[in-house]
Amino acid sequence: DTEVTQTPKHLVMGMTNKKSLKCEQHMGHRAMYWYKQKAKKPPELMFVYSYEKLSINESVPSRFSPECPNSSLLNLHLHALQPEDSALYLCASSSPRGTWGTRPSSYEQYFGPGTRLTVT
Amino acid sequence: AQSVSQHNHHVILSEAASLELGCNYSYGGTVNLFWYVQYPGQHLQLLLKYFSGDPLVKGIKGFEAEFIKSKFSFNLRKPSVQWSDTAEYFCAVNRLSGGYNKLIFGAGTRLAVHP
Repeated sequence: DTEVTQTPKHLVMGMTNKKSLKCEQHMGHRAMYWYKQKAKKPPELMFVYSYEKLSINESVPSRFSPECPNSSLLNLHLHALQPEDSALYLCASSSPRGTWGTRPSSYEQYFGPGTRLTVT
Repeated sequence: AQSVSQHNHHVILSEAASLELGCNYSYGGTVNLFWYVQYPGQHLQLLLKYFSGDPLVKGIKGFEAEFIKSKFSFNLRKPSVQWSDTAEYFCAVNRLSGGYNKLIFGAGTRLAVHP
């Protein structure tokens, strides 16, 4: 199973709302990522979790709050967003250094389908 | 700063034409290189990857890419494109650092294939 799932597929929220995006993978990957992709642009890294710990925060505003409850789940909590935050939010996972005791076979990231977020 | 450059932002081809998309990166250390494709309305999919070994790598759907270390390039090729290849193509470079890897994407090339 090489699938990363994301819910919801679409989300419309007001600037005062609080919502959460969810991401799940069952590939045993221990690194998970959030990206933001604006139309006709490449994905931009937001956060990296490695072994359930936040490893990278690419200077993302605090209105975005990531959470990694366990090795299979990644959440992105949203609060007081701005219209310019409207975008496709992508989750990805990868094997950071390979699974325990085995030589890593690859480091590619597997992407989910994304959540298309519209902030009104 | 590390960057990835894709020279062609828009490419228009007729079916059966040959394709070559350019990608250059600016990082002197060990890199892993990728091409991802994003079909209209679909998620990013890995086309092919290079980690080490044979610099000519073959991917899915008839795509291949050649890593030329001296030119810091990783160009994508396909001998004969199909209408279904219409998509956005992203070159990406991966840096290994600590317990995670960080992908840096190029700006993307939008390919339109006409029947």
